[in-house]
Amino acid sequence: EVQLVESGGTSVQPGTSLRLTCVASGFNYDNFGMHWVRQAPGKGLEWVSGISWNSAKTGYGDSVKGRFTISRDNDKNLLYLQMDSLRIEDTALYFCARDLTYGADGLSDSWGQGTQVTVSS
Amino acid sequence: EIVLTQSPSTLSLSPGERATLSCRASQSVSVFLGWYQQKPGQAPRLLIYDAIHRATGVPGRFSGSGSGTDFTLTISSPEREDSAVYYCQQRSNWPPTFGPGTKVHIK
Repeated sequence: EVQLVESGGTSVQPGTSLRLTCVASGFNYDNFGMHWVRQAPGKGLEWVSGISWNSAKTGYGDSVKGRFTISRDNDKNLLYLQMDSLRIEDTALYFCARDLTYGADGLSDSWGQGTQVTVSS
Repeated sequence: EIVLTQSPSTLSLSPGERATLSCRASQSVSVFLGWYQQKPGQAPRLLIYDAIHRATGVPGRFSGSGSGTDFTLTISSPEREDSAVYYCQQRSNWPPTFGPGTKVHIK
């Protein structure tokens, strides 16, 4: 069974940093691209970042470009999101999601339950 | 960035009454569009990928159609458990954008 479990979310002040982690299990992790998708309270889904199976391709949404960094460790089945210079508008539930393919084109067939990030002064 | 618009924003139906949800792209995405279902407090669930293909385990009452800029998700005979928000997402161009969602209520 595919499992994705996110952690690292917490309450922080604006301008600080946070690293989210996603542990993957139940599938050949290094065969799939991965994504971070977020959802602000009461709002829709926003794609944050994606990474291909071998980390050769990474991408970011405009709202986080230059502040967030995605990475993965295929030996440990881990996905990371390093979040720097956090803003109040980054407050959201952050989901880890598996791409349909080895690339990171965008459609995701498995999702974690999310980890909550709250940015507040 | 490709912008997706969804209509209607909300839909209220009786069980068994056919539901038709629309997603329109600001430029062609070929067939590279998917649909998700999200219930309160849950993660999204992929229903349809690449316009017409049902994801694993998705009931046959869900079907997708369309290409280019206009896409449709149809629920042929909705059940009360289908009450949820439905999102479309394109994977034609990065960033892989989402539509704003259609909230479906099955009375």
